Amino acid sequence: GENVEQHPSTLSVQEGDSAVIKCTYSDSASNYFPWYKQELGKRPQLIIDIRSNVGEKKDQRIAVTLNKTAKHFSLHITETQPEDSAVYFCAATGNQFYFGTGTSLTVIP
Amino acid sequence: SQTIHQWPATLVQPVGSPLSLECTVEGTSNPNLYWYRQAAGRGLQLLFYSVGIGQISSEVPQNLSASRPQDRQFILSSKKLLLSDSGFYLCAWRVTGTGVGYTFGSGTRLTVV
Repeated sequence: GENVEQHPSTLSVQEGDSAVIKCTYSDSASNYFPWYKQELGKRPQLIIDIRSNVGEKKDQRIAVTLNKTAKHFSLHITETQPEDSAVYFCAATGNQFYFGTGTSLTVIP
Repeated sequence: SQTIHQWPATLVQPVGSPLSLECTVEGTSNPNLYWYRQAAGRGLQLLFYSVGIGQISSEVPQNLSASRPQDRQFILSSKKLLLSDSGFYLCAWRVTGTGVGYTFGSGTRLTVV
């Protein structure tokens, strides 16, 4: 099966700085890579995704990059704001979803 | 539009008592349905998934079970809860096939005392 590793487990940045979260996967058949944001006590919500035929996708302050050869993908958040503080999960999917272990992001005002 | 309902939102149950959590999806047919558990400060653990009525796959052996009596209904059960069953339970759905993300329910916070 798929194995998704996510780093770092915790991340603190100053407001306005950038944050980068990295994930690696093992199954070359995985073809869809979503990112979820989970605020404390709430459900995970999809914030951005990328398919295997695309190398980069951007949505305002959030971007995701995918390197299929190296089997890794990353989430980039620019100009961070306190409301970006949450736990972020990556996932790699073929027929099933395999989630990373999560990154707790704290944006310090 | 599609919506997913999950209840109850919170639950406190004594050890050894039964459990029933329900999840329903509206606005779609033949969804893939999933139950996840999240322990405090931890990641998402897939418990069960279902690709159709009566079809249940278990990812982790435990004292929990799942059933799908109707196309858009997914139930998580236990005959006797353990302390270790405490956690945040999330139901999720997505359309059949790949390349589509999950939509999660609002979750049930279960505390076994």
